[in-house]
Amino acid sequence: QVQLRQWGVGLLKPSEALHLTCAVYGGSFTSYYWTWLRQPPGKGLEWIGETNHQGSVHYSPSLQTRLTISVDTSNKQFYLKLDSVTAADTADYYCARGDIPRDMDVWGQGTTVTVS
Amino acid sequence: DIQMTQFPSSLSASLGDRVTITCRASQNIGSFLNWYQHTPGRAPKSLIYTTSNLHSGAPSRFSGSGSGTEFSLTISGLQPDDFATYYCQQTYSVPRTFGQGTKVEMK
Repeated sequence: QVQLRQWGVGLLKPSEALHLTCAVYGGSFTSYYWTWLRQPPGKGLEWIGETNHQGSVHYSPSLQTRLTISVDTSNKQFYLKLDSVTAADTADYYCARGDIPRDMDVWGQGTTVTVS
Repeated sequence: DIQMTQFPSSLSASLGDRVTITCRASQNIGSFLNWYQHTPGRAPKSLIYTTSNLHSGAPSRFSGSGSGTEFSLTISGLQPDDFATYYCQQTYSVPRTFGQGTKVEMK
C-alpha cells in the first residue's frame, strides 16, 4: 500500500523560506505527478504545483515567482521550497500523488505551517 | 486558468437525505473532474475521479455525473461520516484548480 509521509518546520517568521519534504513508501515513483497543495485557515483547497520523476514541474501562477518543487528519484522524495513567506502563506500543507489525468489519490498526513 | 464554481457553498441535511452538489467549469474540461471529501484535522480523500468513477474504498452511495462544463456529486442516503466539506477539482490542465467547497452540515 502506498503511503506518503511529509515533514518540515511548522513555525516561520515573515521573509523566511518554507521547506517541506514528502517521502513515498511503496508503489511506483515514475508513473505519477507528485503534488503539493495547501488549505489556509477558513479557506478552500489550493493546488500549489507538481513534479514528475524527471523534474518536469508545473507551478501555480500565483506562487511561481517564490516556488521551487524538486525531486529525488533515488530516495523517492520530493520537496517544496517557498521563499519570502508572509502571513498569507499560513496554511495546512499536503503532499499527494497525482494520478493525472485522474485524481490526487494518495495524500500525506498534512503539515501545519504558521508564519508569524 | 480554468475557474471552478461550486454551489451551494453550504447546505443543511438530515441523515438519510439525498444531497446534490454542483460544480461548473469556466471552459470545457471533458470528463476531467474529481470530487474530494475533507474533514477537519484529516487529509482530503478522493471520492470520484473523471466525473463518475468511484474511488476504491469510497462508499457506493456517492456518485458523480456530468460532462463539459457542468458536473454534480450526489450522496444517496446521507450517513454520519458524510458531514464534511466537498471539493471539485479539474485535472484537464494546469493549474489544477479546485472549487471553493461545499460544507454539508447536519440539520
